[in-house]
Amino acid sequence: DQQVKQNSPSLSVQEGRISILNCDYTNSMFDYFLWYKKYPAEGPTFLISISSIKDKNEDGRFTVFLNKSAKHLSLHIVPSQPGDSAVYFCAASGYTGNQFYFGTGTSLTVIP
Amino acid sequence: GAVVSQHPSWVICKSGTSVKIECRSLDFQATTMFWYRQFPKQSLMLMATSNEGSKATYEQGVEKDKFLINHASLTLSTLTVTSAHPEDSSFYICSARPVLNNSPLHFGNGTRLTVT
Repeated sequence: DQQVKQNSPSLSVQEGRISILNCDYTNSMFDYFLWYKKYPAEGPTFLISISSIKDKNEDGRFTVFLNKSAKHLSLHIVPSQPGDSAVYFCAASGYTGNQFYFGTGTSLTVIP
Repeated sequence: GAVVSQHPSWVICKSGTSVKIECRSLDFQATTMFWYRQFPKQSLMLMATSNEGSKATYEQGVEKDKFLINHASLTLSTLTVTSAHPEDSSFYICSARPVLNNSPLHFGNGTRLTVT
């Protein structure tokens, strides 16, 4: 059973516009959420995280929003750049747990 | 930032042979490391959790005799694919997490295994 879901397998955005990637989870015990970026034939790179005590965390062009009541998080990239083109995975975990659950990924293409 | 090194980055082997993949945490100690496998266009599938000084914990459906894991030190875990077959061809990725609350998983760059 997929506890973390990314329902959009792909997304195309024009350079300079906002990219919004979405993620839903089912386990209400999750309280630590992360976004990873992955290029082909490489390991995922950590981007940004948020704990359940917050509803927003920002790092440069990347902002993660958490809606606990809806069990939904999103990653906003503003402005989008061609170098942002990659597959983005969301992940969830218990706060001190070692088990991380990953979504199936969203392939983002930023069009110059 | 925390760095995880994985070696080799790609390997081609003949069916029936064994392949060892190394995962090292370069600037932190990791009592636990994780091995993932990724099939094309699919998510990361956790195979096993490698525990320093004790046996690895395998996920359901993962053959422990085929995928041997050794966590010899606080900075090194190895995955050995024994008697490899073409269906074992995949992208294998290790990860580790510094022993701090609220710290993310850091991943190696993965190993592309092709079994001919």
